[in-house]
Amino acid sequence: DAKTTQPPSMDCAEGRAANLPCNHSTISGNEYVYWYRQIHSQGPQYIIHGLKNNETNEMASLIITEDRKSSTLILPHATLRDTAVYYCIVRAGGFQGAQKLVFGQGTRLTINP
Amino acid sequence: DVKVTQSSRYLVKRTGEKVFLECVQDMDHENMFWYRQDPGLGLRLIYFSYDVKMKEKGDIPEGYSVSREKKERFSLILESASTNQTSMYLCASRRGGRSTDTQYFGPGTRLTVL
Repeated sequence: DAKTTQPPSMDCAEGRAANLPCNHSTISGNEYVYWYRQIHSQGPQYIIHGLKNNETNEMASLIITEDRKSSTLILPHATLRDTAVYYCIVRAGGFQGAQKLVFGQGTRLTINP
Repeated sequence: DVKVTQSSRYLVKRTGEKVFLECVQDMDHENMFWYRQDPGLGLRLIYFSYDVKMKEKGDIPEGYSVSREKKERFSLILESASTNQTSMYLCASRRGGRSTDTQYFGPGTRLTVL
């Protein structure tokens, strides 16, 4: 699986959009971009994933650049409960892809009142 | 919504005790996983199971065993707990087939071995 690079920490004001960047310059054609988050002392939570098109669900939007070397997770109206560590992961697709998840250091997002 | 539950949120055991951590998922997922998470070391896979009675070692299986007698339940066993097994233990499940499918995690069990 390709390596990802994320800023170690970010702050965002409550009610504003939080934009979390991720670089994955060595991504290959069959690798998906996944985002998970982990609120303190809880299990990781799946947020969203995508291959090349932008994706949106009830939690967030994922914007992937045309060359797929970077992506941005957008939380449109951040709340205090969005304070967490956010992990960007790149995983190979297909039946033979890796089973396990490997989290890097992630971005510690703090939402301020 | 997928629900993955773990038997305890917090557990304190003594060195040498046998410890059972239980995980149950309600979405008929074929794949289940046990990870441990430690500061600075990230998430590490202990064991996973892709079907009932089937299991595969992950990266750090030493000191652990697992049991999957029913599809919905995956148990992690510490035969003789040691202090270096103090950690956050996370169970996850995923449906079978393509490995891009999402893993859903339980709330975690914070185990302290004294």
